Amino acid sequence: EAQVTQNPRYLITVTGKKLTVTCSQNMNHEYMSWYRQDPGLGLRQIYYSMNVEVTDKGDVPEGYKVSRKEKRNFPLILESPSPNQTSLYFCASSLVGGPADTQYFGPGTRLTVL
Amino acid sequence: AQSVAQPEDQVNVAEGNPLTVKCTYSVSGNPYLFWYVQYPNRGLQFLLKYITGDNLVKGSYGFEAEFNKSQTSFHLKKPSALVSDSALYFCAVRDPMPMDSNYQLIWGAGTKLIIKP
Repeated sequence: EAQVTQNPRYLITVTGKKLTVTCSQNMNHEYMSWYRQDPGLGLRQIYYSMNVEVTDKGDVPEGYKVSRKEKRNFPLILESPSPNQTSLYFCASSLVGGPADTQYFGPGTRLTVL
Repeated sequence: AQSVAQPEDQVNVAEGNPLTVKCTYSVSGNPYLFWYVQYPNRGLQFLLKYITGDNLVKGSYGFEAEFNKSQTSFHLKKPSALVSDSALYFCAVRDPMPMDSNYQLIWGAGTKLIIKP
């Protein structure tokens, strides 16, 4: 089954404790992206990747890091999480990142930073 | 700057009645428009998109949307609502000519659709 998977689905952590949220897709997509969803704000892009070893900042990159060492994986790293990073996070992928591409989303990771 | 507006935080419809979820956009050039649905504790699922051609686009689960260039709108519609349609609906637009080559989706804030039996 074609899908985007994320782990963990739920995470409660404390301020300053480094964490990684994994994302993997099995559709051989070149483009991958991370979003955060906050009530009343819709989705905002954190980082995106056009292909292996090619990453760039989205609209809200502060406090986050990403890497793209393999085509299928695009982990999101929070080196020192803070309470304002409490949010619902989505990973998405699409074929090449072109304007007509449909993005496919993972199930989401609900992060709480205490 | 590109933007998407979903003017209603919540829409309430009786089961069997037609439903409309509104979306307006602001983008230079000809936009690419998308609708996604989010069920509770689930990821976003693609419903439909407008790229070019016929202004009426049909999508999944019986939904359709009408692109209106003069009103810069892309309202989501369904002729007969089901209780199972209750979910959070997001409209998104993509700038066809972004300055940084990032064809990212610009999202509306979402509209909660409640279908009452």
